[in-house]
Amino acid sequence: GEQVEQRPPHLSVPEGDSAVIICTYTDSATAYFYWYKQEPGAGLQLLMSVFSNVDRKEEQGLTVLLNKKDKQLSLNLTAAHPGDSAVYFCAVNPGYQNFYFGKGTSLTVIP
Amino acid sequence: EAAVTQSPRNKVAVTGGKVTLSCNQTNNHNNMYWYRQDTGHGLRLIHYSYGAGSTEKGDIPDGYKASRPSQENFSLILELATPSQTSVYFCASGAGINYAEQFFGPGTRLTVL
Repeated sequence: GEQVEQRPPHLSVPEGDSAVIICTYTDSATAYFYWYKQEPGAGLQLLMSVFSNVDRKEEQGLTVLLNKKDKQLSLNLTAAHPGDSAVYFCAVNPGYQNFYFGKGTSLTVIP
Repeated sequence: EAAVTQSPRNKVAVTGGKVTLSCNQTNNHNNMYWYRQDTGHGLRLIHYSYGAGSTEKGDIPDGYKASRPSQENFSLILELATPSQTSVYFCASGAGINYAEQFFGPGTRLTVL
């Protein structure tokens, strides 16, 4: 079955810097990709979804890149601020509605 | 209004006891899911459902049962709770369309002593 690796597990960046989180997946047929944010004590909140026909998507200071050749998905938070501090998860959906999640990246933005 | 709710939010149980975690969704979604979240493992799928009356095994179903009596409700049942089931449990719902994202509840923290 699908396997998802996410790195780094922990990331600290100064306020205003960018933060990059990367996921790799194994099933080349996987078509749907997601990034979620989890704040302390809360559930996962969807940040962005990307379909396999898209290489790049930008929304509200977030950029998602999809490299299908290398089976790699990345999330770039440009100009991070302390409110971005949270745990971020990538998720992939091979198309039968079950998701596979990365293990998460704990991001700390230092004021 | 929160579309996926879970109860209880916190639960302490004894080894060997029965635990039922409940989930309710107002999204009118066909699919519902139960995950557990543990440090170093991320989210792992326990059971899921395609609609009322349906339950399917996920990746780690051992020690868990599920029940979907209606479109809105999905329960996770631990018949004989063990300390290894101490975790945070998340319920999610999804529209049942290939590309549809999942919407998560706030989680239930379960401690089995």
